[in-house]
Amino acid sequence: QSVLTQPPSASGTPGQRVTISCSGSSSNIGSNFVYWFQQLPGTAPKLLIYRNNQRPSGVPDRFSGSKSGTSASLAISGLRSEDEADYYCAAWDDSLSGPVFGGGTKLTVL
Amino acid sequence: EVQLLESGGGLVQPGGSLRLSCAASGFTFSTYAMSWVRQPPGKGLEWVSGISGNGGTTYYAASVKGRFTISRDNSKNTVYLQMSSLRAEDTALYYCAKVPSTMLRGVIPDYWGQGTLVTVSS
Repeated sequence: QSVLTQPPSASGTPGQRVTISCSGSSSNIGSNFVYWFQQLPGTAPKLLIYRNNQRPSGVPDRFSGSKSGTSASLAISGLRSEDEADYYCAAWDDSLSGPVFGGGTKLTVL
Repeated sequence: EVQLLESGGGLVQPGGSLRLSCAASGFTFSTYAMSWVRQPPGKGLEWVSGISGNGGTTYYAASVKGRFTISRDNSKNTVYLQMSSLRAEDTALYYCAKVPSTMLRGVIPDYWGQGTLVTVSS
């Protein structure tokens, strides 16, 4: 059971906009930044969003993040076939004194 | 370019020990905290342990505290994870990850290695 809650799956057609939610509590998302990772099949996680809504260099602006209270979301616009991957949210947890992750959302591009 | 290369994984019997290593390059190693994160086959990510840039502060997940020890050698740009009293539930791909701060608290890793597989089975 993951500390952060994500839907196990999401899907969309090419060109669509999809959002993935991430729910936590006051000890993690409510008081710390949210991060998002993309994990393509057979590869290591790649940082997609940091500090709630910042994109590392090289990440397309089709990816955006937001946070409100104890929840966060990742939005992907102009969906492409190469976006098919697992997506994880993460945040520091003050009670556990360490990072916590969501269970991951498998995105399928139909 | 940041590079993290893990090694030391393998098959070990329950109750056994293993030491993982992670060789880092492409950044000033001693300036950054480091973490280990694991992923059981077909499952999600779980943070395991972290260490500050100077090695003076360490953190552990409750699931491994007292069994795993993280350390680093800044002269060799290497971070280690000594694992003992291994259990079947420790079976996972273990990733080494760089933290974009000298201190660990409040910061999530940014760059990840490709991982080394640890299998605990008799």
